Amino acid sequence: AQSVTQLDSQVPVFEEAPVELRCNYSSSVSVYLFWYVQYPNQGLQLLLKYLSGSTLVESINGFEAEFNKSQTSFHLRKPSVHISDTAEYFCAVSAPREVQGGSEKLVFGKGTKLTVNP
Amino acid sequence: SQTIHQWPATLVQPVGSPLSLECTVEGTSNPNLYWYRQAAGRGLQLLFYSVGIGQISSEVPQNLSASRPQDRQFILSSKKLLLSDSGFYLCAWSETRPEAFFGQGTRLTVV
Repeated sequence: AQSVTQLDSQVPVFEEAPVELRCNYSSSVSVYLFWYVQYPNQGLQLLLKYLSGSTLVESINGFEAEFNKSQTSFHLRKPSVHISDTAEYFCAVSAPREVQGGSEKLVFGKGTKLTVNP
Repeated sequence: SQTIHQWPATLVQPVGSPLSLECTVEGTSNPNLYWYRQAAGRGLQLLFYSVGIGQISSEVPQNLSASRPQDRQFILSSKKLLLSDSGFYLCAWSETRPEAFFGQGTRLTVV
């Protein structure tokens, strides 16, 4: 089975500052990793994903995350945040269904609330 | 393109009343369907998972049930709501790609 730990429940930052939201996972098999973003009273939107290949993945709005297998981490970073980035961010993991012990069901962390202040 | 519809957006129900939340997906066939519940500070908890019509897996014991009467329809139900059933309920779908796509959610308040 897979599990996810998001180490920070809340992260306040000032506009244009850099930010890192931490995510660690646990799995006995290879994994897929995801970051989702949720704005108030809305569903989750996929921000970026790691399936295979390059360990650094990027989103269209300036976020990036790096898969680190040795540290079992998938931290989300942005060099300069905007007010509009204020939202809750969820890290999630799943494993390929063809891998023994894998499940295509997404397992989520408890979320990190990012608040960007002016 | 694929879309997912979830309704109602908000719902206030008395304790002991029944519940029916509906989710439909358009633009895809035989999707995997999911019901998640989100409680403050607890992340998303997977409640039910379905890989096909009539095939439902329950992830946690609870007061809720799910059904999939049609390929792209997923229903979350309860015969008698409890206060602890309050939360934000999210339907999601996936297919060949491993990522899931979410509906806009239903905010359920049991009073």
